[in-house]
Amino acid sequence: GNSVTQMEGPVTLSEEAFLTINCTYTATGYPSLFWYVQYPGEGLQLLLKATKADDKGSNKGFEATYRKETTSFHLEKGSVQVSDSAVYFCALTRTDSWGKLQFGAGTQVVVTP
Amino acid sequence: DAGVTQSPTHLIKTRGQQVTLRCSPKSGHDTVSWYQQALGQGPQFIFQYYEEEERQRGNFPDRFSGHQFPNYSSELNVNALLLGDSALYLCASSLGFQGAKNGYTFGSGTRLTVV
Repeated sequence: GNSVTQMEGPVTLSEEAFLTINCTYTATGYPSLFWYVQYPGEGLQLLLKATKADDKGSNKGFEATYRKETTSFHLEKGSVQVSDSAVYFCALTRTDSWGKLQFGAGTQVVVTP
Repeated sequence: DAGVTQSPTHLIKTRGQQVTLRCSPKSGHDTVSWYQQALGQGPQFIFQYYEEEERQRGNFPDRFSGHQFPNYSSELNVNALLLGDSALYLCASSLGFQGAKNGYTFGSGTRLTVV
């Protein structure tokens, strides 16, 4: 079946540091890949997406590239801010499965001033 | 433009009771999905509704049921509550099945505590 594996947190960084959160997946066919972010006490917000191999999703300084050969979709940001402190979820859907989202366990990121 | 609206925001119930959670999708969306997020974990898919029918279901018992109304809003019902049902319940909406490629809009969730 489909699955998503993320690096465990918490990841603690200083402001302006470089952030990488690893995500690998197992899926048949050609899934779409997503990163969602959850700020404390809130629901999930779509951060970025990629729908085919070698696509790069980007938003708010975050980037992730769909790597089919390594089945990965790692999230990166060059210079984090305190406001980036949140839980980040990697997820996938298969277009032949009515769009059910399969999430990873989430990675908590804490950015200190 | 209102996003996904869920009610109530918090709820405390006793074991064995029944609960109904409500969701109004984002304006223009017609597909609603429900997820359960236990503390410290990723959301788990419960089911998805489109055209007032359950289109897909996750690995949840029959105690979990739902409904979609003609205005696309939806309810999640849980019967015979267990302590393990304590979680954040998230509603997500999309237009048709575009969520599979474009992503979904999530509500802020209903925090259910079973005591």
